[in-house]
Amino acid sequence: DIQMTQSPSSLSAFAGDRVTITCQASQDISNSLNWYQQKPGKAPKLLIYDASSLETGVPSRFSGSGSGTDFTLTISSLHPEDIATYYCQHNDRLPYTFGQGTKLEIK
Amino acid sequence: EVVLAESGGAVVQPGGSLRLSCAASGFKFNDYTMHWVRQAPGKGLEWVSLINWDGGSTSYAKSVKGRFTISRDNNEQSLSLQMNSLTTEDSALYYCVKDINSGVLDYWGQGTRVTVSS
Repeated sequence: DIQMTQSPSSLSAFAGDRVTITCQASQDISNSLNWYQQKPGKAPKLLIYDASSLETGVPSRFSGSGSGTDFTLTISSLHPEDIATYYCQHNDRLPYTFGQGTKLEIK
Repeated sequence: EVVLAESGGAVVQPGGSLRLSCAASGFKFNDYTMHWVRQAPGKGLEWVSLINWDGGSTSYAKSVKGRFTISRDNNEQSLSLQMNSLTTEDSALYYCVKDINSGVLDYWGQGTRVTVSS
């Protein structure tokens, strides 16, 4: 199975900061990488698919990049409503696996 | 509007069985692969199972293979998960999830909670 490793596990930043979360796959997954946002007590929400495509309705301050084994989710300017846990997930082959999550907090 | 409404969660004893259901609306259900994804309390997301559009192809995580069975009724626009031989490790919030394209999970229900405890 492909293992997904996110870093950091938690992150604290100021509103307006640029925030970067990384995700590493244990094997080459091309661009088969998706990012989800989960706010406390809520279901996950798709943000980015195919490594860099923004889901409809997601603010443009969110962006994704990478291919192969190394991927990045960037928030260009952190808003208070971005407080959530972020998960990467590969869909290269079954079983689809998720990273362990990155909990983002506001300072 | 896409709505996925899970039901069937309960407290069950180890070794017991439970059947989860998901009622789907707002999209052409029989066009899409569907999944179950679970989240143990305070933990991350774990993919559990998928079923393709006509039910002809299914897949399971190793942790549930042989114990869980996914099924769908396209006429009723519903998804089910039959869970047998439950252990405490199966305690989680179970999400019904729509697949937009080969594992891209675009809509999630609010989840139904399963607690396995004696």
